[in-house]
Amino acid sequence: DTAVSQTPKYLVTQMGNDKSIKCEQNLGHDTMYWYKQDSKKFLKIMFSYNNKELIINETVPNRFSPKSPDKAHLNLHINSLELGDSAVYFCASSPIAGNRKNIQYFGAGTRLSVL
Amino acid sequence: QQPVQSPQAVILREGEDAVINCSSSKALYSVHWYRQKHGEAPVFLMILLKGGEQKGHEKISASFNEKKQQSSLYLTASQLSYSGTYFCGTEANTGNQFYFGTGTSLTVIP
Repeated sequence: DTAVSQTPKYLVTQMGNDKSIKCEQNLGHDTMYWYKQDSKKFLKIMFSYNNKELIINETVPNRFSPKSPDKAHLNLHINSLELGDSAVYFCASSPIAGNRKNIQYFGAGTRLSVL
Repeated sequence: QQPVQSPQAVILREGEDAVINCSSSKALYSVHWYRQKHGEAPVFLMILLKGGEQKGHEKISASFNEKKQQSSLYLTASQLSYSGTYFCGTEANTGNQFYFGTGTSLTVIP
């Protein structure tokens, strides 16, 4: 069983479209994250949710809207896609307490290409 | 707030050693190290929780100097499989926020 799974793996779309990426974790973690990794390989945190509640919202355009229906799911919806949104988006989860607190378990990533 | 890593990139021959440094502007509670192979997701290597702590994972070990707000990752007798981008991740003493470092690309050649 995959611990953190995200779909789709690849997403190719036109500028101006709206798209969603889904993420699910079966590790029982309370915290989930979305990261953006650009061509320079920087891992930039976008959002963090703790038990369905938004706790981190870095400087991200409001075209990006996360939704957490329950603590095992964190989806990312992107409106009006722009060329600069092209990147790999990683979902991750982590425990919030104990000696493995904040250790990040990543999904395989979604490579988004905006044409 | 993002920790800074050095060097940005390093190329080694098999069997050589390397050190990757991670430096934070904030007082740290913990430091993590991750490795990301090309086309894959980052994978956790180890966590250091206390000042002066050292940990090991096969021939990869790390130290954490709490006073200097720095951590170093040591790769000894490097193997081809060590190639990838290494990230440190830090959690500050205040708040629960976790940030990844700027990354270090490591290439091991035969």
